[in-house]
Amino acid sequence: EAQVTQNPRYLITVTGKKLTVTCSQNMNHEYMSWYRQDPGLGLRQIYYSMNVEVTDKGDVPEGYKVSRKEKRNFPLILESPSPNQTSLYFCASSLLAGGMNTEAFFGQGTRLTVV
Amino acid sequence: AQSVAQPEDQVNVAEGNPLTVKCTYSVSGNPYLFWYVQYPNRGLQFLLKYITGDNLVKGSYGFEAEFNKSQTSFHLKKPSALVSDSALYFCAVRDKDAGGTSYGKLTFGQGTILTVHP
Repeated sequence: EAQVTQNPRYLITVTGKKLTVTCSQNMNHEYMSWYRQDPGLGLRQIYYSMNVEVTDKGDVPEGYKVSRKEKRNFPLILESPSPNQTSLYFCASSLLAGGMNTEAFFGQGTRLTVV
Repeated sequence: AQSVAQPEDQVNVAEGNPLTVKCTYSVSGNPYLFWYVQYPNRGLQFLLKYITGDNLVKGSYGFEAEFNKSQTSFHLKKPSALVSDSALYFCAVRDKDAGGTSYGKLTFGQGTILTVHP
């Protein structure tokens, strides 16, 4: 089954404690990205990757890092989380070569609370 | 940059009645538009997308969307709503990444909560 898998689904942490949210896709997609969802703001792109070892900042990258060492994995790293990073996070993947009308596939989401 | 707007935060309909969730867009060039649905504690699920030339697009779960170029709208519709359709709906458009290197990003509207009453 084609899917994007995120872990963990829920996470409560304290300010400043480094954490990683994992993301894996099994569709051989080149393009992967992270979004955060906040009420009234929709989803905003944090970072994206066009292929292995190619990553770039999205619209709200401050406080986040990513890596893309393998095509299927795209972890999101918060080196020193702060309360304003409390949000619902989604990983997504899509086939770049499929053209602009190719849909993106999303993970189940990770609800992060930073206290 | 491209943008979409969902003018209604909430839509309430009775079961069995038709439903419409509104979306307007602002793009340069051709629009590549999508609808996604988010059920409670679930990820975003793809519903349908606009294909150039087809003004009425059919998607999953009986949903369809009407593309109107003159009104720059892409409204989501369903002829007969079900209680199980209650969810958060997002309209989205393909957009250029912040780095300007590709059009892989989706720019989302703020979402519309659809509630279908029994």
